[in-house]
Amino acid sequence: SQTIHQWPATLVQPVGSPLSLECTVEGTSNPNLYWYRQAAGRGLQLLFYSVGIGQISSEVPQNLSASRPQDRQFILSSKKLLLSDSGFYLCAWSVTNHNEQFFGPGTRLTVL
Amino acid sequence: GQQVMQIPQYQHVQEGEDFTTYCNSSTTLSNIQWYKQRPGGHPVFLIQLVKSGEVKKQKRLTFQFGEAKKNSSLHITATQTTDVGTYFCAATSGTYKYIFGTGTRLKVLA
Repeated sequence: SQTIHQWPATLVQPVGSPLSLECTVEGTSNPNLYWYRQAAGRGLQLLFYSVGIGQISSEVPQNLSASRPQDRQFILSSKKLLLSDSGFYLCAWSVTNHNEQFFGPGTRLTVL
Repeated sequence: GQQVMQIPQYQHVQEGEDFTTYCNSSTTLSNIQWYKQRPGGHPVFLIQLVKSGEVKKQKRLTFQFGEAKKNSSLHITATQTTDVGTYFCAATSGTYKYIFGTGTRLKVLA
């Protein structure tokens, strides 16, 4: 069966510090991968999606970046965090487009 | 860009009452999905609708896709405390990305 992992579960970082969040998927090959951000009590904002290794599409211009170094690994990074980067970061995968998305447990990031 | 609006934003109901959330798009959709997110949790897929006018049922939940494929609804009959959470629709116009609605937060009062 397929599983998706995200870590860390929670993170508190000072403004200006770097960020690296990792997401890995098991039990499937060549998944579509997604990064979303959810502000407290709000909806999901699509940040990046990837349909293959090294292929990243950015939806929102900001100080975040994403990389897909391996088929089932998706990394979200920042060189310098802003206060507005606080939120709940969710990684998701799907088999193809038009299919259901499976979400990871998420990372709660607080930037102070 | 494409936007998907959901109403209402919040809904408080007494246990046993019905609940409906609506999802509307300005553009024609390829399909629409519904997700449920429990407080503190991550979204979990409920269902996908593809055909114009499609209606699907899951126990007490009824999902509809509009004839013009621009709107959808989720109806819960006789709510229970386990229905608490935020319900999101997610729509795609044919690309790899999904646009999530703003969500409807449901509270069920026992």
